[in-house]
Amino acid sequence: KNQVEQSPQSLIILEGKNCTLQCNYTVSPFSNLRWYKQDTGRGPVSLTIMTFSENTKSNGRYTATLDADTKQSSLHITASQLSDSASYICVVSGRVAGGGNKLTFGTGTQLKVEL
Amino acid sequence: GAVVSQHPSRVICKSGTSVKIECRSLDFQATTMFWYRQFPKQSLMLMATSNEGSKATYEQGVEKDKFLINHASLTLSTLTVTSAHPEDSSFYICSARERRENTEAFFGQGTRLTVV
Repeated sequence: KNQVEQSPQSLIILEGKNCTLQCNYTVSPFSNLRWYKQDTGRGPVSLTIMTFSENTKSNGRYTATLDADTKQSSLHITASQLSDSASYICVVSGRVAGGGNKLTFGTGTQLKVEL
Repeated sequence: GAVVSQHPSRVICKSGTSVKIECRSLDFQATTMFWYRQFPKQSLMLMATSNEGSKATYEQGVEKDKFLINHASLTLSTLTVTSAHPEDSSFYICSARERRENTEAFFGQGTRLTVV
């Protein structure tokens, strides 16, 4: 069964500090992995997308890594800001029969950045 | 990225009434749209997948007569919650994809439904 597990479930950090969120998946065959940021009461917004051959990808203060062998990904946030407070969701896309793709969502990590 | 607009952002309705939520792709043609439901502190749960011009495919456990999905054009899909009950109160999110082989799906801003 395709699954995406994220840790920690929630995290509180001080403004300016760094943090790393983890994502483990069992989706196969793998197509790509995305990290989304979801503010409360809003739809998810894509931060990064990584394919099988990519190990790391950055988007401003966000850096995602992918180890396709161990099926693990991480999202590192540098110099956190209050506006980073949100839910971060790991979404893995797997290929399905017939040429389509199916998304499997993680349960998210709720990040809170405090003064 | 492409823009997906969802309307309304919030709606309150009485038990027994029906509510329609719209999802529009503003700058691309969405051959496929997805409808999700999200409970507090939980991840998105796929309810159904709709392809333009054909019937929606519902996930197991989702009542198709309860949650009516219409995808009559390449830029608009609607979700109608019929005979709403308080337990239908939730956050509903749509996403749209341009082509089947694409993996990029863009999300709407969500609709908070409260049934009183």
